[in-house]
Amino acid sequence: KQEVTQIPAALSVPEGENLVLNCSFTDSAIYNLQWFRQDPGKGLTSLLLIQSSQREQTSGRLNASLDKSSGRSTLYIAASQPGDSATYLCAVSPYGQNFVFGPGTRLSVLP
Amino acid sequence: DTEVTQTPKHLVMGMTNKKSLKCEQHMGHRAMYWYKQKAKKPPELMFVYSYEKLSINESVPSRFSPECPNSSLLNLHLHALQPEDSALYLCASSQETGHGWDTEAFFGQGTRLTVV
Repeated sequence: KQEVTQIPAALSVPEGENLVLNCSFTDSAIYNLQWFRQDPGKGLTSLLLIQSSQREQTSGRLNASLDKSSGRSTLYIAASQPGDSATYLCAVSPYGQNFVFGPGTRLSVLP
Repeated sequence: DTEVTQTPKHLVMGMTNKKSLKCEQHMGHRAMYWYKQKAKKPPELMFVYSYEKLSINESVPSRFSPECPNSSLLNLHLHALQPEDSALYLCASSQETGHGWDTEAFFGQGTRLTVV
């Protein structure tokens, strides 16, 4: 059964720092991996989707990489801003199963 | 338009009430999902609809009754809920490629449900 973990569970940094959030999954047989952002009490906003054949995706200050063989993905946030404060969730799509979510990383960017 | 719209945003209901949650998307997605999310936990899948047919029911109690009247609309009918059912209910949609979840998923803003 696929399991997804995220490290760190929480992170507090001053504005302007570059950040790396980590996601690990136990089974490399996945269709894709998706990173989401969730503000408190709100829904999920899709940030980046990485297909299983891809190594990375970029959108603005965000860059996500995928290493299927090692079961890892990282989300890199450049020049963090207070508006980036949220919980970041990664989710994998294993073959024959629905999305499996990680527990999330709670990010706080201080002005 | 990559929007999934959920109504209402907030709902308070008694344990004997009947209410419905509504979800709508106009992206042409043929896979639609209901998730339940408790505080500080990741979303948990409840139901999946593929081409308006229920394809997955994750052993959800019968007091939750999903309905997909057309390709754009998904409802969740609620009856005789318990206080522990209080949570954020999220709707999502994606392209249907035969697997249902190998394409990008889009989520709504959720309905915050409180059962009293």
